[in-house]
Amino acid sequence: DSGVTQTPKHLITATGQRVTLRCSPRSGDLSVYWYQQSLDQGLQFLIQYYNGEERAKGNILERFSAQQFPDLHSELNLSSLELGDSALYFCASSVEGRTGANVLTFGAGSRLTVL
Amino acid sequence: DAKTTQPNSMESNEEEPVHLPCNHSTISGTDYIHWYRQLPSQGPEYVIHGLTSNVNNRMASLAIAEDRKSSTLILHRATLRDAAVYYCILRAVYSGAGSYQLTFGKGTKLSVIP
Repeated sequence: DSGVTQTPKHLITATGQRVTLRCSPRSGDLSVYWYQQSLDQGLQFLIQYYNGEERAKGNILERFSAQQFPDLHSELNLSSLELGDSALYFCASSVEGRTGANVLTFGAGSRLTVL
Repeated sequence: DAKTTQPNSMESNEEEPVHLPCNHSTISGTDYIHWYRQLPSQGPEYVIHGLTSNVNNRMASLAIAEDRKSSTLILHRATLRDAAVYYCILRAVYSGAGSYQLTFGKGTKLSVIP
């Protein structure tokens, strides 16, 4: 157990639907990252939050959004789902210091299947 | 984040040492070198990181070239459990307004032969 909790572990839904993935970071970590991993794309960075505020955006689609709440948990919302959104979604957390030494701790992922 | 180059795949016999290379010729002076691995059906996990000096921990050793343009992750005795994709990543120093996202390349798929 890495200390980063992601729910649900598996999710099957239909095209056009909306889902929410949840992430609880490791205790003491202020930053949350979201990644998408599909078979042909590898691990793609989506977005980062630090202490409730958006820090950085990667290849996140406009149909996707995220937020980090005061208790530091984060949610990734995926809407108007398409077949191509089927993937593993990972959340990671870290303590953000002022060097490049920050280590990310990843959750076990949420597997989304869009039919 | 600067780019890294790794071989697509490597093989090792069980209980033998494994040297996984990574080239990062555009590394800046303050970039940290990180290694993560991803076992099948799991999330990536941290292995080791360093800046200039060689580093050892319970999982592996990291050897960094003197010019820092390359590094090698060393698994001292490969086990079947070490079969995974290994990612070499560079992390920039915090600039005050930047972020710490990790950009993952394709990594090296390590196969361990019993």
